[in-house]
Amino acid sequence: GDSVTQMEGPVTLSEEAFLTINCTYTATGYPSLFWYVQYPGEGLQLLLKATKADDKGSNKGFEATYRKETTSFHLEKGSVQVSDSAVYFCALSDFTGFQKLVFGTGTRLLVSP
Amino acid sequence: DAGVIQSPRHEVTEMGQEVTLRCKPISGHNSLFWYRQTMMRGLELLIYFNNNVPIDDSGMPEDRFSAKMPNASFSTLKIQPSEPRDSAVYFCASSTGTYNSPLHFGNGTRLTVT
Repeated sequence: GDSVTQMEGPVTLSEEAFLTINCTYTATGYPSLFWYVQYPGEGLQLLLKATKADDKGSNKGFEATYRKETTSFHLEKGSVQVSDSAVYFCALSDFTGFQKLVFGTGTRLLVSP
Repeated sequence: DAGVIQSPRHEVTEMGQEVTLRCKPISGHNSLFWYRQTMMRGLELLIYFNNNVPIDDSGMPEDRFSAKMPNASFSTLKIQPSEPRDSAVYFCASSTGTYNSPLHFGNGTRLTVT
């Protein structure tokens, strides 16, 4: 079945460092891809999405490009802030038409001042 | 827009007791999802509804779990009897159900079964 694999965390960075969180997927067909973020004590929030190959999703300084050839959707940010500390989930949607999402295990990001 | 509202935020109960978790989706959303989050298994989809009808409950772990959606503005997830291994954070999410529409999550219910 469809699956998402994320890099293990936690990822620990200093403020203003460059961030990459790796995500690869396995799916039949061409799913849509998403990054969600979860802050402590809260539910997940959509961060960005891409719906077809070579699309780049972006939001709040974060970017991810849908790479069909490598089945990847890596999350990047040029300069992280302490407020970016959270858990980041990569996800894909299948084609049932009901937006059923398959999530990765999540990657915790810790940013220190 | 009040967002997805879940209650209670925290629930502590003893093994064998019945537990009912509640969810109010965003008005106008017609798809509703129940997820469970644990350290060991991450986020698991338990069941989802479209237009109040259960579409796929294959993620429900056992017959002890049941979910209902009696109308477009309310859903429940019930565990009877509860067991310590049911301890987790349970999330409800809703969406418009259209292609590529995002899921909107509630803040979750942290369930502890002793």
